[in-house]
Amino acid sequence: QVQLQESGPGLVKPSETLSLTCTVSGGSINNYYWGWVRQPPGRGLDFLAYSFNNGGPNDNPSVKSRVTISVDTTKNQFSLHLSSVTAADTAVYYCARWFEAGWAFDLWGRGTLVIVSS
Amino acid sequence: QTVVTQEPSFSVSPGGTVTLTCGLTSGSVSPLNFPSWYQQTPGQAPRTLIYSTTIRSSGVPNRFSGSILGNKAALTITGAQADDECDYYCVLSLGSSVIFGGGTKLTVL
Repeated sequence: QVQLQESGPGLVKPSETLSLTCTVSGGSINNYYWGWVRQPPGRGLDFLAYSFNNGGPNDNPSVKSRVTISVDTTKNQFSLHLSSVTAADTAVYYCARWFEAGWAFDLWGRGTLVIVSS
Repeated sequence: QTVVTQEPSFSVSPGGTVTLTCGLTSGSVSPLNFPSWYQQTPGQAPRTLIYSTTIRSSGVPNRFSGSILGNKAALTITGAQADDECDYYCVLSLGSSVIFGGGTKLTVL
């Protein structure tokens, strides 16, 4: 059974880059799309981006110039990098598998809270 | 900018049937928008219920069903149970954009 687990700093300073890693266990990272969704405290879900094997991400226009996704097939991991963060980027970040044929996320990590504060 | 709309809240009696909808501020929802639905209990990760309008994700009971009703996507829960009380989100594809609706808080009482 494939499982996803996010990891990374829970606190990031304003203007710095937020970096999170998602480890895929129980299956291969190859031949799938992988993405990120976030949820600010007390608010709804917000799509960030998804990508395939280090290709250019399909991302939310609201974060378009700040987000990259990298995939490390040797470690079965993929990562989110969100630059120039502000307090508005404080959220629970979920990694997820994007099911391209169904145009949906079909598998989710448990989420990790990232607070942006000095 | 087109926004995906959902009812902020809804209530249903135990054992009853409820239909949540997912629309667009501009235009109609069609299968080409690939509607998907997600369930989220507070403090937990989302769970995928439905994708491509009508297809249930693995392990989802058949009392959850998806459809297009009029100009909106719809999620129908038949025989509502107490643990169905949580938040439900839809997602639509607009071109290459992936857009979440604001979510519906469902109360079972």
